[in-house]
Amino acid sequence: QKEVEQNSGPLSVPEGAIASLNCTYSDRGSQSFFWYRQYSGKSPELIMSIYSNGDKEDGRFTAQLNKASQYVSLLIRDSQPSDSATYLCAVGSNTVKLIFGSGTRLQVFP
Amino acid sequence: DADVTQTPRNRITKTGKRIMLECSQTKGHDRMYWYRQDPGLGLRLIYYSFDVKDINKGEISDGYSVSRQAQAKFSLSLESAIPNQTALYFCATSDLSGGVYNEQFFGPGTRLTVL
Repeated sequence: QKEVEQNSGPLSVPEGAIASLNCTYSDRGSQSFFWYRQYSGKSPELIMSIYSNGDKEDGRFTAQLNKASQYVSLLIRDSQPSDSATYLCAVGSNTVKLIFGSGTRLQVFP
Repeated sequence: DADVTQTPRNRITKTGKRIMLECSQTKGHDRMYWYRQDPGLGLRLIYYSFDVKDINKGEISDGYSVSRQAQAKFSLSLESAIPNQTALYFCATSDLSGGVYNEQFFGPGTRLTVL
């Protein structure tokens, strides 16, 4: 079992719709959770971080964390073609390092 | 100016050659990391360093070595490059200040091709 799992996609949504990206993790001791956006050939860019159960909103992005279910998600409202990218989920179980999922490719079509 | 820089940005080399990838940061972070990214495999940690005197192996350190020359500089070396080291390499930094931990910030990457 992979430590951090994501559906590879592609997830295709129409412009203006809500895109829902999901991630599960295996280490119950995990404490920090991040979503990175990565455009093709570019470096990962941190877009959201969440540390406690519940929702955290930042603009069009909402991160949701459920530690009991070992599940973290990212919602993108009013999706735009410019949101088309690969989204990486990363989980930290201590202050040492992050474990990354292999990413979900999102396609937003006009 | 970029906070985390990597040189070179692209490199083509031949099997058996020694190559060094360099990373510099102006973020003042203590922690630095080297990752490689292969299609479908996500980011895999090669080495990480918490300060100049601290170097740790990641999950795929075989065939690589590192040097932390200063707080701001962390270099990755391939002593004898082989074709399956062809990948995209990223440097990242983080710190523990302000109660935020593990947030990592990435450099622009180096695309390495070993022929």
